[in-house]
Amino acid sequence: NAGVTQTPKFQVLKTGQSMTLQCAQDMNHEYMSWYRQDPGMGLRLIHYSVGAGITDQGEVPNGYNVSRSTTEDFPLRLLSAAPSQTSVYFCASRQAAVFSYEQYFGPGTRLTVT
Amino acid sequence: ELKVEQNPLFLSMQEGKNYTIYCNYSTTSDRLYWYRQDPGKSLESLFVLLSNGAVKQEGRLMASLDTKARLSTLHITAAVHDLSATYFCAVDIKAAGNKLTFGGGTRVLVKP
Repeated sequence: NAGVTQTPKFQVLKTGQSMTLQCAQDMNHEYMSWYRQDPGMGLRLIHYSVGAGITDQGEVPNGYNVSRSTTEDFPLRLLSAAPSQTSVYFCASRQAAVFSYEQYFGPGTRLTVT
Repeated sequence: ELKVEQNPLFLSMQEGKNYTIYCNYSTTSDRLYWYRQDPGKSLESLFVLLSNGAVKQEGRLMASLDTKARLSTLHITAAVHDLSATYFCAVDIKAAGNKLTFGGGTRVLVKP
């Protein structure tokens, strides 16, 4: 299994540009999430999904859109990038089973908005 | 709103000595996680604590959970240089699905 994969690894955008960060998992996990990590801080939840077709907002959703059309993929869209969105983005997944606790994190995407 | 606080924010350790990182959270939670993060890397899972009094140990690291005090500790025994990293605790609530709330992290530097 590849686990949780994210592309690209690095990206530089100009203010106002749009882009999509890709996240995929091959473990058939129901739950998927996007977090951002700013320097010297913990991760903050942007959006999450409990299954295909179901998404909800996390702590810092403004400026980001998500959709979940398949179990495997959970892309994060920046519609109009702003310097405040410069951050490292992590995708995570987990099984929905009651006794399944382990969260699996992707390698991250480092985004710079100039 | 669930809040998670870690202290200290930075810990300079001497090799061979023992240290503790504290993680306090504000409301009842179902699971507490500890992660390690090396610079430029993703998060590595260390422990998941599920119930009051839970204690888990792996090598020089031991984590415990007191749900009544809403406190978890990560104890480092006889620190070694390889343990230099940033350590995060995180909590979630079963009913909230995959929503983890993280502490701000403790940056650990182990000096010879």
